[in-house]
Amino acid sequence: AQKVTQAQTEISVVEKEDVTLDCVYETRDTTYYLFWYKQPPSGELVFLIRRNSFDEQNEISGRYSWNFQKSTSSFNFTITASQVVDSAVYFCALSEARSGNTGKLIFGQGTTLQVKP
Amino acid sequence: ETGVTQTPRHLVMGMTNKKSLKCEQHLGHNAMYWYKQSAKKPLELMFVYNFKEQTENNSVPSRFSPECPNSSHLFLHLHTLQPEDSALYLCASSQDVISGRRTDTQYFGPGTRLTVL
Repeated sequence: AQKVTQAQTEISVVEKEDVTLDCVYETRDTTYYLFWYKQPPSGELVFLIRRNSFDEQNEISGRYSWNFQKSTSSFNFTITASQVVDSAVYFCALSEARSGNTGKLIFGQGTTLQVKP
Repeated sequence: ETGVTQTPRHLVMGMTNKKSLKCEQHLGHNAMYWYKQSAKKPLELMFVYNFKEQTENNSVPSRFSPECPNSSHLFLHLHTLQPEDSALYLCASSQDVISGRRTDTQYFGPGTRLTVL
């Protein structure tokens, strides 16, 4: 069965600290996609990254970086030099690419990040 | 700007009322989704439409009735709701994928915050 676990419910850091949000997933498929979304207080989920199961290269985008490790079924997200505007709920999600799949996203419970000035 | 709009942003209704949520996407996508986000629960997929055809109903009670008149618009008609239906209702869209494998990124609207009294 597919499952996404974000064990950290809430994280609080002080501005400029680095913070890592953990994501562990379960799937029996060999082809799948992983996502991270940010949900600020306004409610809208903002897409951050999409990674397929065949690409284990880490990715960096500005202050954001992602570490994908199939061996541990993890897809962790690090924010470097955090800022107050990074305060939000962050969701990790999984989609299996089986033929006929509707693209259903399985979301983790979310991690609430609070960055204090 | 995600290109997915939802109206109204906030809605308060009694259990005997009938109301509708509207979602519109301006991204040229062919698939649209309704999600429910309750407090302290992961996002739950409700319905999926692909090229106006419903492809998934995730065991949603019949008091929620979706309608997709075209690929750009999605409605959720509500009637005789219960207080436990109070939640944030999110709409999303994605580009359809060739060969039946839908693995595209889903882009979300800002949501409708629904309160059922």
